[in-house]
Amino acid sequence: QQQVKQSPQSLIVQKGGISIINCAYENTAFDYFPWYQQFPGKGPALLIAIRPDVSEKKEGRFTISFNKSAKQFSLHIMDSQPGDSATYFCAASKGFNKFYFGSGTKLNVKP
Amino acid sequence: DAGVIQSPRHEVTEMGQEVTLRCKPISGHDYLFWYRQTMMRGLELLIYFNNNVPIDDSGMPEDRFSAKMPNASFSTLKIQPSEPRDSAVYFCASSLRGGLAFNEQFFGPGTRLTVL
Repeated sequence: QQQVKQSPQSLIVQKGGISIINCAYENTAFDYFPWYQQFPGKGPALLIAIRPDVSEKKEGRFTISFNKSAKQFSLHIMDSQPGDSATYFCAASKGFNKFYFGSGTKLNVKP
Repeated sequence: DAGVIQSPRHEVTEMGQEVTLRCKPISGHDYLFWYRQTMMRGLELLIYFNNNVPIDDSGMPEDRFSAKMPNASFSTLKIQPSEPRDSAVYFCASSLRGGLAFNEQFFGPGTRLTVL
């Protein structure tokens, strides 16, 4: 059973637009929800993360929205830039434990 | 800090050959993870270690795969014998419990394995 489901698989956004990627999880014991960004030929790198005690976390143009009751969380990229073009992975974990990654979203921001 | 170091960066081998991938985690980190990434299956956790001890190897696909961590600064992932379906990018990641960013995993650059 897939623990974390991510959508969409790919996303095309115009420069300056808002990119939204969604994830849903099954295990209510998860207590850490990171987003990783991966550029071609590189390993994933932590972008932003949230704990379930808050509903939103913002870092620059990147915001995580978290809905505990719906078991969903999403990444919003405001004023999307061509340099944001990458693959984004959501993940979830329980305590200090292994991550369950989503399937990834390939974002293409057109100039 | 140099980050997580993996070698080789690229490996091309023939079916049936033994392949050994190497990883040096960030100094002081106490967790080490091996992942496999493919287009079809995405990012899969193969095995992870805590203080050099394997904790969960449920993601290791079959007995052809084995991983060791003889000390805190070195780990290997071995495939013997290799098969074409093992072709993928293999990532090593490390983390520190109690680090500044809770549970952040730092990934290496990956090893692209091609089995002909």
